[in-house]
Amino acid sequence: NAGVTQTPKFQVLKTGQSMTLQCAQDMNHEYMSWYRQDPGMGLRLIHYSVGAGITDQGEVPNGYNVSRSTTEDFPLRLLSAAPSQTSVYFCASSLWGGVGELFFGEGSRLTVL
Amino acid sequence: QQQVKQSPQSLIVQKGGISIINCAYENTAFDYFPWYQQFPGKGPALLIAIRPDVSEKKEGRFTISFNKSAKQFSLHIMDSQPGDSATYFCAAEKETSGSRLTFGEGTQLTVNP
Repeated sequence: NAGVTQTPKFQVLKTGQSMTLQCAQDMNHEYMSWYRQDPGMGLRLIHYSVGAGITDQGEVPNGYNVSRSTTEDFPLRLLSAAPSQTSVYFCASSLWGGVGELFFGEGSRLTVL
Repeated sequence: QQQVKQSPQSLIVQKGGISIINCAYENTAFDYFPWYQQFPGKGPALLIAIRPDVSEKKEGRFTISFNKSAKQFSLHIMDSQPGDSATYFCAAEKETSGSRLTFGEGTQLTVNP
Protein backbone atom coordinates (compact mmCIF):
# COMPACT_ATOMS: atom_id res chain seq x y z
CA ASN A 1 0.00 0.00 0.00
CA ALA A 2 1.78 3.14 -1.23
CA GLY A 3 -0.34 5.69 0.72
CA VAL A 4 0.44 9.27 -0.34
CA THR A 5 3.14 9.60 -3.01
CA GLN A 6 4.83 12.88 -3.85
CA THR A 7 7.15 13.66 -6.75
CA PRO A 8 9.74 15.02 -7.15
CA LYS A 9 11.50 14.71 -3.77
CA PHE A 10 13.93 17.50 -4.62
CA GLN A 11 13.78 20.36 -7.12
CA VAL A 12 15.82 23.49 -7.80
CA LEU A 13 14.21 26.29 -9.79
CA LYS A 14 15.25 29.71 -10.96
CA THR A 15 13.10 32.71 -10.13
CA GLY A 16 10.24 32.97 -12.62
CA GLN A 17 10.22 29.33 -13.65
CA SER A 18 7.10 27.22 -13.33
CA MET A 19 6.67 23.67 -12.12
CA THR A 20 4.15 21.19 -10.79
CA LEU A 21 4.48 19.12 -7.62
CA GLN A 22 2.65 15.86 -8.04
CA CYS A 23 0.61 14.11 -5.34
CA ALA A 24 -1.25 10.83 -5.61
CA GLN A 25 -3.02 8.69 -3.01
CA ASP A 26 -4.32 5.15 -3.33
CA MET A 27 -6.55 5.08 -0.25
CA ASN A 28 -9.68 6.42 -1.95
CA HIS A 29 -9.61 9.47 0.31
CA GLU A 30 -11.97 12.31 -0.52
CA TYR A 31 -9.99 15.02 1.28
CA MET A 32 -6.56 16.15 0.06
CA SER A 33 -4.43 19.13 0.98
CA TRP A 34 -1.07 20.81 0.49
CA TYR A 35 1.04 22.24 3.33
CA ARG A 36 4.36 24.02 3.33
CA GLN A 37 6.83 23.58 6.18
CA ASP A 38 9.24 26.36 7.08
CA PRO A 39 11.59 26.50 10.10
CA GLY A 40 9.90 27.97 13.15
CA MET A 41 6.55 28.27 11.39
CA GLY A 42 5.16 24.75 11.54
CA LEU A 43 3.02 23.57 8.65
CA ARG A 44 0.78 26.04 6.89
CA LEU A 45 -2.16 25.08 4.66
CA ILE A 46 -1.86 26.21 1.04
CA HIS A 47 -4.89 24.67 -0.72
CA TYR A 48 -7.26 21.83 -0.04
CA SER A 49 -9.91 19.75 -1.79
CA VAL A 50 -12.92 17.94 -0.38
CA GLY A 51 -13.48 15.90 -3.53
CA ALA A 52 -12.94 15.72 -7.28
CA GLY A 53 -13.72 19.06 -8.90
CA ILE A 54 -13.78 20.98 -5.59
CA THR A 55 -10.84 23.04 -4.32
CA ASP A 56 -10.44 25.94 -1.92
CA GLN A 57 -7.76 28.20 -0.49
CA GLY A 58 -5.98 27.69 2.78
CA GLU A 59 -3.89 30.06 4.85
CA VAL A 60 -1.13 30.84 2.31
CA PRO A 61 -2.52 30.33 -1.23
CA ASN A 62 -0.81 33.17 -3.10
CA GLY A 63 1.49 32.01 -5.90
CA TYR A 64 0.01 28.51 -6.03
CA ASN A 65 -2.71 26.86 -8.10
CA VAL A 66 -4.39 23.48 -7.69
CA SER A 67 -6.91 21.32 -9.48
CA ARG A 68 -8.61 18.02 -8.62
CA SER A 69 -9.75 16.16 -11.71
CA THR A 70 -9.67 12.71 -10.05
CA THR A 71 -10.02 11.40 -6.49
CA GLU A 72 -6.44 10.10 -6.58
CA ASP A 73 -4.45 13.13 -7.79
CA PHE A 74 -3.97 16.64 -6.43
CA PRO A 75 -1.13 18.53 -8.17
CA LEU A 76 0.24 21.84 -6.90
CA ARG A 77 1.38 24.34 -9.53
CA LEU A 78 3.83 27.19 -9.09
CA LEU A 79 3.29 29.51 -12.06
CA SER A 80 6.22 31.88 -11.47
CA ALA A 81 8.51 30.70 -8.70
CA ALA A 82 9.89 33.18 -6.17
CA PRO A 83 12.65 32.72 -3.55
CA SER A 84 9.95 33.03 -0.84
CA GLN A 85 8.54 29.74 -2.10
CA THR A 86 11.68 27.88 -1.04
CA SER A 87 10.25 25.33 1.38
CA VAL A 88 9.38 21.71 1.99
CA TYR A 89 5.95 20.86 0.63
CA PHE A 90 3.74 18.11 2.01
CA CYS A 91 0.66 16.61 0.48
CA ALA A 92 -1.84 14.99 2.85
CA SER A 93 -5.10 13.10 2.58
CA SER A 94 -7.85 11.87 4.87
CA LEU A 95 -10.85 9.67 4.50
CA TRP A 96 -13.36 12.43 4.97
CA GLY A 97 -13.54 16.10 5.83
CA GLY A 98 -14.27 15.82 9.52
CA VAL A 99 -11.77 15.27 12.32
CA GLY A 100 -9.49 12.33 11.83
CA GLU A 101 -6.04 11.25 10.84
CA LEU A 102 -4.22 13.09 8.08
CA PHE A 103 -1.87 10.88 6.08
CA PHE A 104 1.16 12.77 4.78
CA GLY A 105 3.52 12.11 1.91
CA GLU A 106 7.29 12.22 2.45
CA GLY A 107 7.61 15.75 1.16
CA SER A 108 9.11 17.66 -1.77
CA ARG A 109 12.01 20.00 -1.02
CA LEU A 110 11.94 23.00 -3.35
CA THR A 111 14.71 25.59 -3.68
CA VAL A 112 14.13 28.74 -5.72
CA LEU A 113 17.29 30.63 -6.63
CA GLN B 1 -1.20 35.35 13.26
CA GLN B 2 -0.27 32.06 14.88
CA GLN B 3 -3.45 30.59 16.33
CA VAL B 4 -1.60 27.71 17.96
CA LYS B 5 1.59 28.55 19.86
CA GLN B 6 4.01 25.79 20.79
CA SER B 7 6.95 25.70 23.17
CA PRO B 8 9.76 25.00 23.57
CA GLN B 9 11.28 25.22 20.10
CA SER B 10 13.85 22.58 21.03
CA LEU B 11 14.21 20.17 23.92
CA ILE B 12 17.03 17.89 25.06
CA VAL B 13 16.21 15.09 27.47
CA GLN B 14 18.21 12.21 28.90
CA LYS B 15 17.10 8.65 28.24
CA GLY B 16 14.47 7.65 30.76
CA GLY B 17 13.43 11.22 31.47
CA ILE B 18 10.12 12.96 30.87
CA SER B 19 9.67 15.17 27.81
CA ILE B 20 7.02 17.89 28.04
CA ILE B 21 5.84 20.03 25.12
CA ASN B 22 3.24 22.73 25.58
CA CYS B 23 0.71 24.33 23.26
CA ALA B 24 -1.77 27.17 23.62
CA TYR B 25 -4.61 28.05 21.30
CA GLU B 26 -6.80 31.09 20.79
CA ASN B 27 -9.87 29.92 18.90
CA THR B 28 -12.42 28.44 21.30
CA ALA B 29 -14.20 26.81 18.35
CA PHE B 30 -11.39 24.26 18.03
CA ASP B 31 -12.68 20.85 19.09
CA TYR B 32 -9.97 18.38 18.10
CA PHE B 33 -6.33 18.50 19.18
CA PRO B 34 -3.88 16.03 17.60
CA TRP B 35 -0.15 15.67 17.98
CA TYR B 36 1.98 14.69 15.00
CA GLN B 37 5.48 13.17 15.08
CA GLN B 38 7.94 13.76 12.25
CA PHE B 39 11.26 11.98 11.70
CA PRO B 40 13.93 13.54 9.44
CA GLY B 41 13.11 13.15 5.75
CA LYS B 42 9.60 11.88 6.46
CA GLY B 43 6.16 13.36 6.59
CA PRO B 44 4.37 13.96 9.90
CA ALA B 45 2.38 11.05 11.31
CA LEU B 46 -0.45 11.11 13.84
CA LEU B 47 0.77 10.21 17.33
CA ILE B 48 -2.18 10.84 19.63
CA ALA B 49 -5.24 13.11 19.72
CA ILE B 50 -7.76 14.43 22.22
CA ARG B 51 -11.16 16.12 22.25
CA PRO B 52 -11.96 18.87 24.78
CA ASP B 53 -14.53 16.78 26.66
CA VAL B 54 -11.72 14.91 28.46
CA SER B 55 -8.79 16.29 30.45
CA GLU B 56 -6.28 13.55 29.71
CA LYS B 57 -5.61 10.79 27.21
CA LYS B 58 -2.89 8.20 27.52
CA GLU B 59 -1.50 5.83 24.91
CA GLY B 60 1.49 3.88 26.11
CA ARG B 61 4.26 6.31 27.11
CA PHE B 62 2.48 9.26 25.49
CA THR B 63 -0.08 11.38 27.38
CA ILE B 64 -2.01 14.49 26.35
CA SER B 65 -3.15 16.78 29.16
CA PHE B 66 -5.87 19.27 28.23
CA ASN B 67 -6.95 22.42 30.11
CA LYS B 68 -10.00 23.87 28.40
CA SER B 69 -10.33 26.94 30.64
CA ALA B 70 -6.70 27.93 30.05
CA LYS B 71 -6.87 26.97 26.36
CA GLN B 72 -3.73 24.90 26.74
CA PHE B 73 -2.72 21.33 26.07
CA SER B 74 0.52 19.45 26.45
CA LEU B 75 2.27 16.26 25.40
CA HIS B 76 4.13 14.22 27.99
CA ILE B 77 6.51 11.48 26.91
CA MET B 78 7.37 9.22 29.82
CA ASP B 79 10.57 7.16 29.92
CA SER B 80 11.87 9.01 26.85
CA GLN B 81 13.95 6.90 24.46
CA PRO B 82 16.50 7.85 21.77
CA GLY B 83 14.00 6.55 19.20
CA ASP B 84 11.62 9.32 20.31
CA SER B 85 14.03 11.91 18.89
CA ALA B 86 11.92 13.71 16.29
CA THR B 87 10.02 16.92 15.65
CA TYR B 88 6.63 17.13 17.34
CA PHE B 89 3.77 19.32 16.16
CA CYS B 90 0.63 20.12 18.06
CA ALA B 91 -2.41 21.05 16.02
CA ALA B 92 -6.01 22.13 16.38
CA GLU B 93 -9.09 21.77 14.23
CA LYS B 94 -12.79 22.53 14.09
CA GLU B 95 -14.77 19.44 13.14
CA THR B 96 -16.80 21.47 10.68
CA SER B 97 -13.71 22.88 8.96
CA GLY B 98 -13.05 19.77 6.91
CA SER B 99 -9.65 18.49 8.10
CA ARG B 100 -8.14 22.00 8.04
CA LEU B 101 -5.53 21.60 10.74
CA THR B 102 -3.78 24.61 12.28
CA PHE B 103 -0.31 23.56 13.41
CA GLY B 104 2.00 24.87 16.09
CA GLU B 105 5.57 25.86 15.26
CA GLY B 106 7.07 22.49 16.15
CA THR B 107 9.45 21.19 18.83
CA GLN B 108 12.65 19.36 17.98
CA LEU B 109 13.16 16.71 20.66
CA THR B 110 16.54 15.07 21.19
CA VAL B 111 16.80 12.19 23.65
CA ASN B 112 20.40 11.47 24.62
CA PRO B 113 21.42 7.86 25.37
